Amino acid sequence: QKEVEQNSGPLSVPEGAIASLNCTYSDRGSQSFFWYRQYSGKSPELIMSIYSNGDKEDGRFTAQLNKASQYVSLLIRDSQPSDSATYLCAVRYGGATNKLIFGTGTLLAVQP
Amino acid sequence: NAGVTQTPKFQVLKTGQSMTLQCAQDMNHNSMYWYRQDPGMGLRLIYYSASEGTTDKGEVPNGYNVSRLNKREFSLRLESAAPSQTSVYFCASRDHYEQYFGPGTRLTVT
Repeated sequence: QKEVEQNSGPLSVPEGAIASLNCTYSDRGSQSFFWYRQYSGKSPELIMSIYSNGDKEDGRFTAQLNKASQYVSLLIRDSQPSDSATYLCAVRYGGATNKLIFGTGTLLAVQP
Repeated sequence: NAGVTQTPKFQVLKTGQSMTLQCAQDMNHNSMYWYRQDPGMGLRLIYYSASEGTTDKGEVPNGYNVSRLNKREFSLRLESAAPSQTSVYFCASRDHYEQYFGPGTRLTVT
């Protein structure tokens, strides 16, 4: 059973702080990893993808991947109240079918 | 460029009724997916279509059927709705490895 685990939170951080969101996965053969942001009542929005070990930065967001530890994280610098949302970690498996397994998400609350 | 669109946005059904959820994408993607999202369960794959003319089961296919009408459209049908199918349904399409979601359909079965 392929699994993706996230702490459900809520993770509460003050405005301007760094928010750190974590995800572990069970399938050692997984190659592609994604972070989605989902506001309440809305659909998931892709914010980061990462395919190789190390860090990938995009604006205030940094995704970190460690395949040996089967761990992927998302750092949000200078957190804003508008970052308050549920963050979903997704892992690709299934070869050409590109099926994703999603974690249940971490609720982030940025306090003004 | 509307991306992925879904209709309807909301629906209430009685147990045993049938309905079809519609999904269309204008991004010329080959692959499309149907998910359901339930509290505490995350997003779960119902069916997917790797390309026009092909469909395959995902993690939770029971009680659903799909049709890949053409490259743009991928519909999900509930033949005899059950209260356990109360959920939010999302359609997605894929570009390379990245999936993009539609706005969702909130379905309640009473």
